Amino acid sequence: EAEVAQSPRYKITEKSQAVAFWCDPISGHATLYWYRQILGQGPELLVQFQDESVVDDSQLPKDRFSAERLKGVDSTLKIQPAELGDSAMYLCASSLERTDTQYFGPGTRLTVL
Amino acid sequence: GNSVTQMEGPVTLSEEAFLTINCTYTATGYPSLFWYVQYPGEGLQLLLKATKADDKGSNKGFEATYRKETTSFHLEKGSVQVSDSAVYFCALINSGYSTLTFGKGTMLLVSP
Repeated sequence: EAEVAQSPRYKITEKSQAVAFWCDPISGHATLYWYRQILGQGPELLVQFQDESVVDDSQLPKDRFSAERLKGVDSTLKIQPAELGDSAMYLCASSLERTDTQYFGPGTRLTVL
Repeated sequence: GNSVTQMEGPVTLSEEAFLTINCTYTATGYPSLFWYVQYPGEGLQLLLKATKADDKGSNKGFEATYRKETTSFHLEKGSVQVSDSAVYFCALINSGYSTLTFGKGTMLLVSP
């Protein structure tokens, strides 16, 4: 069964450093999502791509976060500089099209010291 | 706006007990409803879904019925196992949109 791949699984960094997360969606899925999940909470959408275009980044803190999906396949989420409050699980999901069921990857657990 | 409310956990049960996790929602239009499960240290897995009123989603012994009159989508299982211990999230997507709105999650702990 096809799965969403993410790396790294765990990342520890110091505040003010830069971090990057990678996601490879299920093959053929046009829509890709990045979510942030704070401990004890449900995931919240950061950014959504349709192919290589951003269709929703209203909740992305653009002063420090950036996301790209250059060829409409895999995607990278970057934080620069990281802050203590960025400690969370970062989840990637993909769907065949925008209104189809979303399938999640295993996530990247970020700890900022 | 959209919102999802789940019962607070943890829910602690003995193996083979009956499980109910309550979920109610607020949404405009006709949302699709989902239950996702998250095992420790892992991402979310789709457990079941329902796309219109009175639909029943089911998977691995879990089931939930989309009740529009009570705006609810309660998760049930007749006999839980230790391996069902996880956090369960109720979520919705409004018709024509693609943003999932999640509840806060309910932790289930099943003891032998």
